[in-house]
Amino acid sequence: QSALTQPASVSGSPGQSITISCTGTSSDVGGYNSVCWYQQHPGKVPKLMIYEVSNRPSGVSNRFSGSKSGNTASLTISGLQAEDEADYYCSSFTSSITYVFGTGTKVTVL
Amino acid sequence: QLQLQESGPGLVKSSETLSLTCSVSGGSLISSSHNWGWIRQPPGEGLEWIGSISYSGSTYYNPSLKSRLTISVDTSNSRFSLKVSSVTAADTAIYYCTRLPNGSPGDVWGQGTTVTVSS
Repeated sequence: QSALTQPASVSGSPGQSITISCTGTSSDVGGYNSVCWYQQHPGKVPKLMIYEVSNRPSGVSNRFSGSKSGNTASLTISGLQAEDEADYYCSSFTSSITYVFGTGTKVTVL
Repeated sequence: QLQLQESGPGLVKSSETLSLTCSVSGGSLISSSHNWGWIRQPPGEGLEWIGSISYSGSTYYNPSLKSRLTISVDTSNSRFSLKVSSVTAADTAIYYCTRLPNGSPGDVWGQGTTVTVSS
C-alpha cells in the first residue's frame, strides 16, 4: 500500500488559516469515511485531532476542522497559533482492512 | 484512564527477531469496539502502520511487513505483543502500541519504545 500524499510543508502567520491536503485513492480516502488527522510535536507522541473525516475528540480545539472531497481529505487550522507548529499526519482505512498514513506535513508558524 | 505501555529490548541484532509487549491498564483489553495495534516511526521519518489484533485474536497486517510479522494477544494478562523476524537496520524505529477504535489506527497511544537494530 502506498502512503497518502501530503505537502511536505505549509506555513502561515498567527491568526491566519491554513489547509493541509491528503490525497489517496478510491481504495482508501475516497472509499471510506475513516480519515484521521494526527498532530505530533518534536519528541512527542502523536495526538489524534480529527477522526471519521470531520469529528473532533473531546478536548481538541474547534480551530481544527476536517473535510473530504473525492480522494482528497483536508485539515484546516484556523486562527493559527504558535503552539500549532508541529508535524501533521493523515491516515485512512483501506480496502485491504489495513490503515495507511500520509507522508506528513510540517506546519510552520511565521 | 486507559494507559498503554510498551516494553522490550532496545537493541536487537540484525537477522534476529524483535519482540515487544504492550501492557494495558486502566481499562479492559476485551472490547468489541476496539482493536489493538502497533505503529512505528523511523528516526526523522513518518508514521507507518504495522498491524492490529482484536481481543479474540483476529489479525490484520501491513502487506509490506506481513511475511515477518506476528501479533498476538493475552487477555488474561491484559497485554498484546509484536514480533518482527529477520530484522534489518530499516526496522530501527520508535514503536508505539495503540488502541484502535473503529476507523482509526489509534486514539490512545503508548509512550513509544525505541528499538535499534545493530549489525
